[in-house]
Amino acid sequence: QVQLQESGPGLVKPSETLSLTCTVSGGSMNNYYWTWIRQPPGKGLEWIGYIYYSGSTHYNPSLESRVTISVDTSNNQFSLNLRSLTAADTAVYYCARPYRELLGNDAFDIWGQGTMVTVSS
Amino acid sequence: EIVLTQSPATLSLSPGERATLSCRASQSVSIYLAWYQQKPGQAPRLLIYDASNRATGIPTRFSGSGSGTDFTLTISSLEPEDFAVYYCQHRGNWPLTFGGGTKVEIK
Repeated sequence: QVQLQESGPGLVKPSETLSLTCTVSGGSMNNYYWTWIRQPPGKGLEWIGYIYYSGSTHYNPSLESRVTISVDTSNNQFSLNLRSLTAADTAVYYCARPYRELLGNDAFDIWGQGTMVTVSS
Repeated sequence: EIVLTQSPATLSLSPGERATLSCRASQSVSIYLAWYQQKPGQAPRLLIYDASNRATGIPTRFSGSGSGTDFTLTISSLEPEDFAVYYCQHRGNWPLTFGGGTKVEIK
């Protein structure tokens, strides 16, 4: 069964860039829209954006000016870069896979365990 | 952006009782609404997609209904493991958004 695992720094300074990677194991990346979602402490969930396995992307307009998602299918990984960080970017960051192939706007049935990122000097 | 409003914020019930959770969208999302369960320190777990379809492996005590702007998640008889926070999420248009959550706590 497919599993996802996030990796990256737990602490980043304000104004710097966050880089996270999600490693996909147990299956192929083909035909899916690989997604990043975040959750500030004690708050709800926010969809960040997705990348299709072939490289097309779509981002939340609230973050679009600061975010880039990339994919490396040869290593079964996709990555999130978020620039110009502030304390408001402090959150648990999840990578996720939609329930169905070929749907970017779907529900998400496979999630990583999440990685806590704190933005602080 | 579609805003999803969940109510109540907190639901205090006993094991064996029926739970009814509401999610209201600021505009129609057709049937394109999902429900998740989240326990502390864990990722969300997909329960229901497209308003009324149980995801793989989800017990039959979980059911969803609704269309347009008003949706309901029903847990027919609460088990001890059902006490958690529940979120709704739409896929009606971009960006995808989530509701603020309903906490189901033990009374």
